Amino acid sequence: DAGVIQSPRHEVTEMGQEVTLRCKPISGHDYLFWYRQTMMRGLELLIYFNNNVPIDDSGMPEDRFSAKMPNASFSTLKIQPSEPRDSAVYFCASRPTSGANVLTFGAGSRLTVL
Amino acid sequence: AQSVTQLDSQVPVFEEAPVELRCNYSSSVSVYLFWYVQYPNQGLQLLLKYLSGSTLVKGINGFEAEFNKSQTSFHLRKPSVHISDTAEYFCAVSEWNAGNMLTFGGGTRLMVKP
Repeated sequence: DAGVIQSPRHEVTEMGQEVTLRCKPISGHDYLFWYRQTMMRGLELLIYFNNNVPIDDSGMPEDRFSAKMPNASFSTLKIQPSEPRDSAVYFCASRPTSGANVLTFGAGSRLTVL
Repeated sequence: AQSVTQLDSQVPVFEEAPVELRCNYSSSVSVYLFWYVQYPNQGLQLLLKYLSGSTLVKGINGFEAEFNKSQTSFHLRKPSVHISDTAEYFCAVSEWNAGNMLTFGGGTRLMVKP
């Protein structure tokens, strides 16, 4: 299995631009999570999906952030418009239905907003 | 609500010395406990987990952790570290009845020196 695949690995953009981060979970995993990691706030859960349906988006910072999961093998996290404070590493993780919350993480997407 | 405290943000240690990374959690119900490791520019990998049963849990790379319910702790230990163990270590907790909420500690950077 190729694991959780994220793209791009690195993104540098200017303030105000739209950013789209992508994630392919492990086949057969019913849960997908988006986390953000910063020095100041550590790892924060942004949103998670179960069977492609968003279950809890209470961690999404504001309306500029949106996430979708159109099918079981693909999810996007979009920031529009981006701001310098959005600079962080964004992780996608997935797990199967039975798994006591044992997550498999992708390698992350490092976003820098200038 | 659940929370996790990692008492040390950095732990320097010489190669082949023993190490303990401390983790305390707060929860009013039974929990699952995890340790993840993050190598530079990579995602998080599961080191070990406590779900139930024996309070001493063994993981990969020679690490082990002990669940102490009375002290609400889950400290990570290794009797002899290697340079390759240099990484960031995250403790995480999930309450049995909290669905998919996995709460991470702030992380401890283990720096192994030759």
